[in-house]
Amino acid sequence: QVHLVQSGSELQKPGASVKVSCKASGYTFTRFDINWVRQAPGQGLEWMGWINTNTGNPTYAQGFTGRFVFSLDTSVSTAYLQISGLKPDDTAVYYCARNFIAAGTGTDDFWGQGSLVTVSS
Amino acid sequence: DIQMTQSPSSLSASVGDRVTITCRASQSIGVHLNWFQQKPGKAPKLLIYGASNLQSGVPSRFSGSGSGTDFTLTISSLQPEDFATYFCQQTSSPPRTFGQGTKVEIK
Repeated sequence: QVHLVQSGSELQKPGASVKVSCKASGYTFTRFDINWVRQAPGQGLEWMGWINTNTGNPTYAQGFTGRFVFSLDTSVSTAYLQISGLKPDDTAVYYCARNFIAAGTGTDDFWGQGSLVTVSS
Repeated sequence: DIQMTQSPSSLSASVGDRVTITCRASQSIGVHLNWFQQKPGKAPKLLIYGASNLQSGVPSRFSGSGSGTDFTLTISSLQPEDFATYFCQQTSSPPRTFGQGTKVEIK
């Protein structure tokens, strides 16, 4: 069955960088794109963008350009989110989700368990 | 960006109650509307996609309806495991946007 397994929690200082991994299994990785979603503590869900797992081409939502980078290693069916120049406001749970097209619409049918990134001095 | 507004923000209900949550889009999104359930400390779980299609494995007490700008999620008979926060999401045009969530609590 389909699984997305993310890397563990991270505690980083302001200005540092972090790289979150999302390892897929149970399906052909390059057939489904990966979305990234952020959830700040006690807040709602915010779509950060997506990466085409076939071409590696990323698309970033407004507010997630510059310091945020999506990448892939298709040899190990893994997507990555790197955040540089961390700020306290980046403290959140970051989710990867598989993009599924059904009934003529896109949706996120499987999600990773989430990776908590805490930014604090 | 398309704004998604859910109502109510929270509700209290009893086991066995019929519960309806609404989601309104700031412009027409056809049927590009999904519903998710999230429990504390867990990832969101897809319930309904394309406004009315039940995701595999989701109990039939969950149903979705609507098109254009107005959508509803209905739980026909609330069960103890349904106490959670529910989010709508539009995928009509990027950026994908979510509603602010509806927390369903035990009465």
